[in-house]
Amino acid sequence: GAVVSQHPSWVICKSGTSVKIECRSLDFQATTMFWYRQFPKQSLMLMATSNEGSKATYEQGVEKDKFLINHASLTLSTLTVTSAHPEDSSFYICSARRGDSGNTIYFGEGSWLTVV
Amino acid sequence: AQSVTQLGSHVSVSEGALVLLRCNYSSSVPPYLFWYVQYPNQGLQLLLKYTSAATLVKGINGFEAEFKKSETSFHLTKPSAHMSDAAEYFCAVSSNNNDMRFGAGTRLTVKP
Repeated sequence: GAVVSQHPSWVICKSGTSVKIECRSLDFQATTMFWYRQFPKQSLMLMATSNEGSKATYEQGVEKDKFLINHASLTLSTLTVTSAHPEDSSFYICSARRGDSGNTIYFGEGSWLTVV
Repeated sequence: AQSVTQLGSHVSVSEGALVLLRCNYSSSVPPYLFWYVQYPNQGLQLLLKYTSAATLVKGINGFEAEFKKSETSFHLTKPSAHMSDAAEYFCAVSSNNNDMRFGAGTRLTVKP
């Protein structure tokens, strides 16, 4: 089946630094990718929707300058957390919508970010 | 706007007992509905989805869900719980298979 891969799975960074998380669709082209954030024992909150070659659409309350999303190709989207702070520590999950095959959405395995 | 409400943040059943996880949705357009399972420290795994075809949807691991428009519900069931079913379950809704909105989740505990 279709696979969406996120990298890194776990990352620890110092407060004030930036960290990039990649989301790749391994065997299909993703017309749209989505980024979610999940706090411990909570649900997934949609952060932004990105379409290849265009600017991401951010949900209300999500700082676009802090969470930079780039969707440079049909198989790769990146989320960069800039000037990270401890409150940014969370589980980040991406999903990708396959353009063919009924527009099925596939989720990545998630990336744990810990800011110290 | 679309949303889902999962009734019961925690459900506990005995092994072999019926599993029933409740989900009600709100949508101004015909919805796409999904159930996902999440094991600790892992991503989401799709159990099943409703996309306006058959109202009774069968998924993986013996789970199924029934779309009831009159009740705006999409409850998840499994006839006989297994220890390996213990996990967090999320109901989600989307329009035209676009961005998804997730419920708060229901933690399923299976007692031996």
